[in-house]
Amino acid sequence: AQKITQTQPGMFVQEKEAVTLDCTYDTSDPSYGLFWYKQPSSGEMIFLIYQGSYDQQNATEGRYSLNFQKARKSANLVISASQLGDSAMYFCAMREPYNAGGTSYGKLTFGQGTILTVHP
Amino acid sequence: GAVVSQHPSRVICKSGTSVKIECRSLDFQATTMFWYRQFPKQSLMLMATSNEGSKATYEQGVEKDKFLINHASLTLSTLTVTSAHPEDSSFYICSARKGRGSYEQYFGPGTRLTVT
Repeated sequence: AQKITQTQPGMFVQEKEAVTLDCTYDTSDPSYGLFWYKQPSSGEMIFLIYQGSYDQQNATEGRYSLNFQKARKSANLVISASQLGDSAMYFCAMREPYNAGGTSYGKLTFGQGTILTVHP
Repeated sequence: GAVVSQHPSRVICKSGTSVKIECRSLDFQATTMFWYRQFPKQSLMLMATSNEGSKATYEQGVEKDKFLINHASLTLSTLTVTSAHPEDSSFYICSARKGRGSYEQYFGPGTRLTVT
C-alpha cells in the first residue's frame, strides 16, 4: 500500500524568501509518480509539478522545484521568491502504477496537506 | 489546456433528498474519472474510480448504494448522493485523466454540498 506523509500542518514564510514543504512517501512499487498541488481558499486544485520515479533530474517549473531524494523517499517542494498569492494549502500526492492487467487506473493518494502563509 | 467543469458549484438540499453532481471534461476525452471528498482543512479522500462504460470501483468504506456513480460517456461522469444527510455535507471534487499514457489528472473546481 502507498502512503504519503506531510508532517508540517502549517508553514510561514516572508515574502520573497524561499520555503521548503516536506513530503515523504512509502511504496514497494519501483514505478510511481509524485505530484504537488496547490489549493487556494476557492477550493480548486492547481497542478504545480510532477516527478516520475525514473526521472534522473529533479523537476522544475518556474519558481517551483522538487527536491527528489529517492533513497530517502522524500519529494520536498521548494518555492523560491515567495509571493503573497502563494498562500494556500499544498498537497503532495503519489500516483499508483498502472498495471498490465488494466485494473489499475493511476489513482492518487494525497498527503495531509500543509497550509502555507506568506507574510508581507 | 485540459478543462474539467463541475456542476453545480454549490448546492443546499434537505435531508432525505438526492443530489446529482456532474463532472465534464470540456476539451478532451476522459477514459477515467475520479471522485474525491474533502472535509474542511483536510486532505482529499478518493471515493471511487469511474471508467467509461463500466461499473465504478469504490474505495473501502464508501457505500456504493449511497454514492451512485455513472460514467455514461467519455466526457461526463455523475455522482449522485442518495438520501442525503447532514454528515454528507462536504466538498466533492472530480478529476479526469486523458488516457493511460497521461500521468496528469485534471481537477474540476469542486462542488460544495450542504445538507440541512
